[in-house]
Amino acid sequence: QKEVEQNSGPLSVPEGAIASLNCTYSDRVSQSFFWYRQYSGKSPELIMSIYSNGDKEDGRFTAQLNKASQYVSLLIRDSQPSDSATYLCAVTGNQFYFGTGTSLTVIP
Amino acid sequence: NAGVMQNPRHLVRRRGQEARLRCSPMKGHSHVYWYRQLPEEGLKFMVYLQKENIIDESGMPKERFSAEFPKEGPSILRIQQVVRGDSAAYFCASSPLLAGGKNIQYFGAGTRLSVL
Repeated sequence: QKEVEQNSGPLSVPEGAIASLNCTYSDRVSQSFFWYRQYSGKSPELIMSIYSNGDKEDGRFTAQLNKASQYVSLLIRDSQPSDSATYLCAVTGNQFYFGTGTSLTVIP
Repeated sequence: NAGVMQNPRHLVRRRGQEARLRCSPMKGHSHVYWYRQLPEEGLKFMVYLQKENIIDESGMPKERFSAEFPKEGPSILRIQQVVRGDSAAYFCASSPLLAGGKNIQYFGAGTRLSVL
């Protein structure tokens, strides 16, 4: 079992819709959770961090964490074509693990 | 406040040559991480270093690859006797020392290594 698992996609949503990205992790001692966005040919860019159960909102982005279910998600409201990228889930505890990423395409 | 600086941005080597990739962390950051990304694949952790100390090298290939983070100067990822399969993007990230495992990593622009 991989430490961090994401659906590879591709996930396609129309412009203005909500994009939902999901991530599960296996290490119960994981403490910190991050979402990074990576455009093709570019480096990962941090967009959200979350450390405790519940929701955390930042603009059009909402991260949701459920430690009991070992599940973290990212919602993107009012999706824009510029949101088209690969989204990487990262989990840290004793080590730092990245998922393989979910490719998101927002269709104008 | 400069970000994580990696150089060179692009590196071309012939099979059997050595590749040296450099990474200067953000100011105030004491932790450096190296990742490899093959085309259309995710980030693969290679090594985690602090100054003069390798903390975790569980992702490093056993042969030809080495990393260091000296007291002075940048972190170096060294690949000896490169092969075509080493062609990839190599990303460096740095983080400050924060309590509670909240070590947010900030990435450099990466070095694209091409082995001919």
